[in-house]
Amino acid sequence: EAGVVQSPRYKIIEKKQPVAFWCNPISGHNTLYWYLQNLGQGPELLIRYENEEAVDDSQLPKDRFSAERLKGVDSTLKIQPAELGDSAVYLCASSLSPGQGAPGTGELFFGEGSRLTVL
Amino acid sequence: GNSVTQMEGPVTLSEEAFLTINCTYTATGYPSLFWYVQYPGEGLQLLLKATKADDKGSNKGFEATYRKETTSFHLEKGSVQVSDSAVYFCALNAGGTSYGKLTFGQGTILTVHP
Repeated sequence: EAGVVQSPRYKIIEKKQPVAFWCNPISGHNTLYWYLQNLGQGPELLIRYENEEAVDDSQLPKDRFSAERLKGVDSTLKIQPAELGDSAVYLCASSLSPGQGAPGTGELFFGEGSRLTVL
Repeated sequence: GNSVTQMEGPVTLSEEAFLTINCTYTATGYPSLFWYVQYPGEGLQLLLKATKADDKGSNKGFEATYRKETTSFHLEKGSVQVSDSAVYFCALNAGGTSYGKLTFGQGTILTVHP
């Protein structure tokens, strides 16, 4: 079974440019997450989707960040315009939702991440 | 709010040494606790978990016991291998409306030498 797939793995852009990251979750997982991981720190949740609905986006900086999951499967996270402080790894994860009989609260499956460098 | 504190790293050990990585947490209610591992060049993987007090999670020779009285979830392994070199993250999930929202510690880098 394929895991969570993210692209691109690496992206280098100049500040004020836009950037987008794509994520395809594990087949059948209704819940999709975007996490931000700064260097030397643990990941922090940006947004959580249940199917196509964003149910928790309280940590997403909405002035420059946006996300969508139009058909309830894959998702895109966009930054426009990027700032130097946005340099980080953007992680996508997926899981079964409680309604799917999830085996244990909080068991997430992560992709390899997209490393962004803003110059 | 919820928080997780891990021991400062990095940790450097010789092969077959005993490993302990301390983790303590602050949370309301009864969170689920996790250890995730990130091998070089790979994504985060669930290593083990415990969902209630006194539960012991175990996997690949690693163990951690959910201690509610000390709000701890320390990771241990009796004999580490070079292949265990990775970054280890302790995390909690408070459940309820926070389903899926993991709160992570800062991570501990483990390097095992032959």
